[in-house]
Amino acid sequence: GAGVSQSPSNKVTEKGKDVELRCDPISGHTALYWYRQSLGQGLEFLIYFQGNSAPDKSGLPSDRFSAERTGGSVSTLTIQRTQQEDSAVYLCASREYVEAFFGQGTRLTVV
Amino acid sequence: AQSVAQPEDQVNVAEGNPLTVKCTYSVSGNPYLFWYVQYPNRGLQFLLKYITGDNLVKGSYGFEAEFNKSQTSFHLKKPSALVSDSALYFCAVRVGSSNTGKLIFGQGTTLQVKP
Repeated sequence: GAGVSQSPSNKVTEKGKDVELRCDPISGHTALYWYRQSLGQGLEFLIYFQGNSAPDKSGLPSDRFSAERTGGSVSTLTIQRTQQEDSAVYLCASREYVEAFFGQGTRLTVV
Repeated sequence: AQSVAQPEDQVNVAEGNPLTVKCTYSVSGNPYLFWYVQYPNRGLQFLLKYITGDNLVKGSYGFEAEFNKSQTSFHLKKPSALVSDSALYFCAVRVGSSNTGKLIFGQGTTLQVKP
């Protein structure tokens, strides 16, 4: 694909349910980032994968959040027992060398 | 810990006037610096980057940015603003080698260009 692809583009879920957000990075990109953006605000760092190294999970807000990256390619961000404050746009980015490229994001609404 | 500050929530300029969007950073080590733009309901688009070398870097859509090591700043500039430049702008910093490191963003600055 030409760019970073995220799915679904929109997700509405009930409070307490689990959700999975998917990111397909640009082929060959070794780095992958997840961010959260609330109401057009700043980007909150969540997690960073770099090749086969252990991911930097320092931005995950609670143990309800987890992410994995299988085979160094596709990544899934999982939010368990969703809360209303989890409502936001979740952005994924991938990088080969210097600059990162972003997907269009998944808008998550918890009702 | 690395951090980025964008001191202005919003910048207002008239079309045709020069614009500046401010960014300062705090890192230990040599930074890679970036500017991204976000249009409504869209993802972030890369504008320009500073790695090393010339302090003035040029990017997409006529934007440029000036790296100032002593002031730890990386302000975004454009000589003549367009209404279509109205968007949310993010400054970002990464410390590491050329292909490693966590990417940290500022809070964003809304640029409003009035006709």
